[in-house]
Amino acid sequence: EDKVVQSPLSLVVHEGDTVTLNCSYEVTNFRSLLWYKQEKKAPTFLFMLTSSGIEKKSGRLSSILDKKELFSILNITATQTGDSAVYLCAVDPGNTGKLIFGQGTTLQVKP
Amino acid sequence: DTEVTQTPKHLVMGMTNKKSLKCEQHMGHRAMYWYKQKAKKPPELMFVYSYEKLSINESVPSRFSPECPNSSLLNLHLHALQPEDSALYLCASSQVGPKGKLFFGSGTQLSVL
Repeated sequence: EDKVVQSPLSLVVHEGDTVTLNCSYEVTNFRSLLWYKQEKKAPTFLFMLTSSGIEKKSGRLSSILDKKELFSILNITATQTGDSAVYLCAVDPGNTGKLIFGQGTTLQVKP
Repeated sequence: DTEVTQTPKHLVMGMTNKKSLKCEQHMGHRAMYWYKQKAKKPPELMFVYSYEKLSINESVPSRFSPECPNSSLLNLHLHALQPEDSALYLCASSQVGPKGKLFFGSGTQLSVL
C-alpha cells in the first residue's frame, strides 16, 4: 500500500530556531513530491521536487529530495511566528491522478 | 490570477437540507478536485474532474454529487448529509499531467446538524 509518513507530528520552537521536517514515502510509482503549508484553511504550495539532490529554495525555506532513500526534508531557518502552520508532504504517483498525503507536521513558533 | 475561489466560506445545514458548494478558477486548469478534510487530518480526495469529465470518484456516498458545468467551475451538491459529514471541503485545480501541482481554495467549513 502506498504511504507517506511525516515526522515529527508536532514541533514547538522559538523564533530564530532552525527546523527540519521529514517526509518519507513508499509508493509503487513516483512522479513528484510536493510540500504545502496550511495555516487556517487553504494549503498553499511551497515546493515540488522531482529529481534527487537538487535543492529548492525560497527565502528561508528550502527542500531536497533523496529518491534513493525515499525521503525529503523541508528546512526553515530563522523561524518566525508566521511560520506556525501545518506542513503537508504529498507524493504524486503520476498514474492515478491523486496525491498521497502524509499526516502533516504541526509547527508552532513561539516569540 | 492564481486563485481558487470557494463559496460559501461557512455553511450550516440540517440533515434534510439541499445545498451546493461552489468553486471557480481562471488559471486555465483542466483538472479540478474536491477534497474533504477533518480536523488535524490531511485532505482526503473525493472527486477528480479532468477536461470536465469525472475521472475519479473515491467511493463517495451518493449524498455528495459533483458537477463540472465548464472548465472554470466545479460544484458539489449536498443532500441528506449526516453529522459525520461535517468537515472542511477544499476545492483544488491543476494542469493535467506532469508538473500538475495543485492550487487549493480556502475551503467551505461545513457543519451538519
